[in-house]
Amino acid sequence: QKEVEQNSGPLSVPEGAIASLNCTYSDRGSQSFFWYRQYSGKSPELIMSIYSNGDKEDGRFTAQLNKASQYVSLLIRDSQPSDSATYLCAVKGGRGYSTLTFGKGTMLLVSP
Amino acid sequence: NAGVTQTPKFQVLKTGQSMTLQCAQDMNHNSMYWYRQDPGMGLRLIYYSASEGTTDKGEVPNGYNVSRLNKREFSLRLESAAPSQTSVYFCASSMDHGETQYFGPGTRLLVL
Repeated sequence: QKEVEQNSGPLSVPEGAIASLNCTYSDRGSQSFFWYRQYSGKSPELIMSIYSNGDKEDGRFTAQLNKASQYVSLLIRDSQPSDSATYLCAVKGGRGYSTLTFGKGTMLLVSP
Repeated sequence: NAGVTQTPKFQVLKTGQSMTLQCAQDMNHNSMYWYRQDPGMGLRLIYYSASEGTTDKGEVPNGYNVSRLNKREFSLRLESAAPSQTSVYFCASSMDHGETQYFGPGTRLLVL
């Protein structure tokens, strides 16, 4: 059974701070990793994908992947109140025909 | 370019009634998915269609059926609705199986 674990939160940070969201996964052969943002009452929208160990930056967002430790994280720099949402981690398993497994999400609250 | 569309947006059913949720995508994607999202449970995969002409069960298929009508459309049918099927249903699509998924706006279903 593939598992993707996230702290449910809420993670509270002040405006302008760095928010750090973490995700661990059980399938050591996992190949692809995704971060989605979901506002309350809305559908998930893709923020970033990462496939190789290391960091990947896109604007204020940085995804970090460490396959040896089986974790992936998302850093949000200069957090804004508009970043308040639930962040979902999704992992594609190691088998060739695997689907994505989603974590339950971490709620982020950014206070002005 | 509408992306992924779903109908209806909201639906109230009585126990035992049937209904079909419709999903269409205009991104020429090969793979399509149906998820349900419940508080505290995250996104759970009901069924998916890796390519036109194929469908497979996901994590929670009981009580549901699907039809991949053509490359664009993937419908989800509840034959005899139960209160346990009260949920938010999301359709998603991806260029190929296991790649980045793009979500529709969701259908909120209440079964009384």
